[in-house]
Amino acid sequence: GQNIDQPTEMTATEGAIVQINCTYQTSGFNGLFWYQQHAGEAPTFLSYNVLDGLEEKGRFSSFLSRSKGYSYLLLKELQMKDSASYLCAFMDSNYQLIWGAGTKLIIKP
Amino acid sequence: GAVVSQHPSRVICKSGTSVKIECRSLDFQATTMFWYRQFPKQSLMLMATSNEGSKATYEQGVEKDKFLINHASLTLSTLTVTSAHPEDSSFYICSARDGGTGHLTQHFGDGTRLSIL
Repeated sequence: GQNIDQPTEMTATEGAIVQINCTYQTSGFNGLFWYQQHAGEAPTFLSYNVLDGLEEKGRFSSFLSRSKGYSYLLLKELQMKDSASYLCAFMDSNYQLIWGAGTKLIIKP
Repeated sequence: GAVVSQHPSRVICKSGTSVKIECRSLDFQATTMFWYRQFPKQSLMLMATSNEGSKATYEQGVEKDKFLINHASLTLSTLTVTSAHPEDSSFYICSARDGGTGHLTQHFGDGTRLSIL
């Protein structure tokens, strides 16, 4: 079967670093996505990993290990505006996105 | 970058009304568009996948006759909520994939908040 799991909520301090983990199980895999969603708004694309390793994009980095069914999103130099939900999703063999429930990130001053 | 426009952003209407939501890809051709629904504090729920020129594929539990989807062109898909009732109140979001480049990333519209009185 297919499933995907990420923590429900995390809290971090402004200026710090936070890592949001995502684990998944699937027989067919066409990559893993991270999206950011602020309350009441639609998701915005952050990153896409299809090969193992770390992809860095400014303050945000995303890592993938296909053999472990594991990904993380790393946010550095946290800002208050980073308070949002972070959604991970993998694309299955039918090119359909399977979404996690999202991790609500709370940034404290 | 890829831009998806969704309209209207907010609808408030009486029970029994039909509501049409439009989703347009502004700078790319979207052979595939997706319609999602999201209830407060819950994750995105895929309702249907819309392919240009063919019938939409609905997810299990989604009523085809209640949520009508039309994808008549490569840049426009519409979702019509027919005879809406209060339980249909939700945040509806469309997304589109750029068929021209072959990229797999879905780009989202800004969403439509539907409130049925």
